Amino acid sequence: AQSVTQLDSHVSVSEGTPVLLRCNYSSSYSPSLFWYVQHPNKGLQLLLKYTSAATLVKGINGFEAEFKKSETSFHLTKPSAHMSDAAEYFCVVSAGAGSYQLTFGKGTKLSVIP
Amino acid sequence: DAGITQSPRHKVTETGTPVTLRCHQTENHRYMYWYRQDPGHGLRLIHYSYGVKDTDKGEVSDGYSVSRSKTEDFLLTLESATSSQTSVYFCATQTGLTTEAFFGQGTRLTVV
Repeated sequence: AQSVTQLDSHVSVSEGTPVLLRCNYSSSYSPSLFWYVQHPNKGLQLLLKYTSAATLVKGINGFEAEFKKSETSFHLTKPSAHMSDAAEYFCVVSAGAGSYQLTFGKGTKLSVIP
Repeated sequence: DAGITQSPRHKVTETGTPVTLRCHQTENHRYMYWYRQDPGHGLRLIHYSYGVKDTDKGEVSDGYSVSRSKTEDFLLTLESATSSQTSVYFCATQTGLTTEAFFGQGTRLTVV
């Protein structure tokens, strides 16, 4: 079984300040982990992915995430928020072998204050 | 963008009527999924397919059925629509179980 917990349902930051969106996971296998972003009334776009290579993963638009196995975490960060980052973010785990399912966290809505 | 097209994009239907949503992909991906998105719940898996004619239930499959008669098409049917099935439905595809999923633009379904 696998699960994903996004620790904050809503995060609010000022433009130009750092962003931290937190994600913890559990998985019986070595997981693949993903962050997706969804802008209002849009589909989901892949930000970045971890698939057992480097633990620090860089994605699009300046986002990055660090896979920490000991903490079962995969937090998403960005040094400086931009207004266009306002969106909902989903942490997703895929257990790979033995599981056909992607499991989604419930999402974190990021607001950016000008 | 991966070639995933959902149709219709918007639909309003009456309680008790059957509804079919279509997902069409041009990427020859093996795995296909139907999710529903509701506020506070993220995306929840309805059904998935791991090949032509091979499908299985997800966590919220009651009231839904699916069919996949060819690689490129994955149909979701609401057998008798209820107001609780008002939601945004997303189709997704994957090439392999450890790869990223690609999503369609979603279908907003309202059951009145």
